[in-house]
Amino acid sequence: DAKTTQPNSMESNEEEPVHLPCNHSTISGTDYIHWYRQLPSQGPEYVIHGLTSNVNNRMASLAIAEDRKSSTLILHRATLRDAAVYYCILRDPTGANNLFFGTGTRLTVIP
Amino acid sequence: GAGVSQSPSNKVTEKGKDVELRCDPISGHTALYWYRQSLGQGLEFLIYFQGNSAPDKSGLPSDRFSAERTGGSVSTLTIQRTQQEDSAVYLCASSLVRATNEKLFFGSGTQLSVL
Repeated sequence: DAKTTQPNSMESNEEEPVHLPCNHSTISGTDYIHWYRQLPSQGPEYVIHGLTSNVNNRMASLAIAEDRKSSTLILHRATLRDAAVYYCILRDPTGANNLFFGTGTRLTVIP
Repeated sequence: GAGVSQSPSNKVTEKGKDVELRCDPISGHTALYWYRQSLGQGLEFLIYFQGNSAPDKSGLPSDRFSAERTGGSVSTLTIQRTQQEDSAVYLCASSLVRATNEKLFFGSGTQLSVL
């Protein structure tokens, strides 16, 4: 699986938007971009995924660069419950079995 | 249950003992994954099942680790002759099918402590 690069940590004020970046310069044309987050003492939970077009769901939005070498997870209004580690992962057909998680971005939400 | 269930939630064992960790995936999910997470680290892939077969065992760290899945449902991860470096949270996940756009559902994990 191709690698992703994320900042180790970010901070946001409560009720403000948060943009979490992810670089994946070696992405291939068939790789899906997945985002998961892990709250303290819990297993990761799915947030969103996409291939080429921007995606929206009730949790977040995913903005994918035109060249697909980077993406941004957008939380429109951060809440204290959004404090978690956010993982950006690529999933390709040959490695479809696995999701290789790095250390992610630890998001701190400031009240 | 509605989610992935893992048991026990916590396990303390002595070095050299064997342990079994259990995972009950979401009903109907054909794919099942085991991961390990050491303190402050990301997730380390261990093994993957499609149905009852494990086509990819490359992540198992040593021959002390084994896993099986029966009836396309429950899976057991066994660690023989546990070592202190085996201490970690062991996470199980399942997905409906094996596909690149399929989401994984994780359990809350088993915290293993080897004394």
